Amino acid sequence: IVLTQSPATLSLSPGERATLSCRASQNVLNYLAWYQQKPGQAPRLLIYDTSNRATGIPARFSGSGSGTDFTLTISSLEPEDFAVYYCQQRSNWPPYTFGQGTKLEIK
Amino acid sequence: EVQLVESGGGLVQSGGSLRLSCAASGFNFSSYWMHWVRQAPGKGLVWVSRFNSDGSITTYADSVKGRFSISRDNAKNTLYLQMNSLRAEDTAVYYCTREGRYGEEAPYYFDHWGQGTLVTVSS
Repeated sequence: IVLTQSPATLSLSPGERATLSCRASQNVLNYLAWYQQKPGQAPRLLIYDTSNRATGIPARFSGSGSGTDFTLTISSLEPEDFAVYYCQQRSNWPPYTFGQGTKLEIK
Repeated sequence: EVQLVESGGGLVQSGGSLRLSCAASGFNFSSYWMHWVRQAPGKGLVWVSRFNSDGSITTYADSVKGRFSISRDNAKNTLYLQMNSLRAEDTAVYYCTREGRYGEEAPYYFDHWGQGTLVTVSS
């Protein structure tokens, strides 16, 4: 299963709303996660099974979608949210596949 | 607190070998599936290999099959990745990750990650 994320880069300002997309080449049901990675750091799990926030993840992060189209929304960007975001599916594994990433940068 | 600490990375010539280790603490290591995920410089995340909790199932990405071998020592709470016949395209940061268990938060996803260890293969 191939995961395609868009856009590749998203330029926004703090306080704005961010919408990141992940499209799967096949139906992955709701078995999709989102990870955040900051420079020089390991990825961190944000959202699993499409819409469940992991422990400690702020409520401004939300996930939605099903089947082949998924969205990660950050309702109001904080300075620490600027990072690279990856989606990952577990519907048909192995292999465990990730999207190519969306870089969220400060405008 | 869950901790995963990788070691063993470094510079190696093409065709050479390297063994990575991942020391786990803060959880019952023997109860969890463990994985290696890598990230080439400036690139995305790529799953490499997994080992189930009781040691009966190992799986590899096609790109490393036959060259890499995953193992674990549950008595030492340590995961390993033996990498042979290394190629320039194996250059990456290698992360050790834990797969969440059924009945807990985030089952079957990578819920904890180590800080990574850099492997550089020179051609």
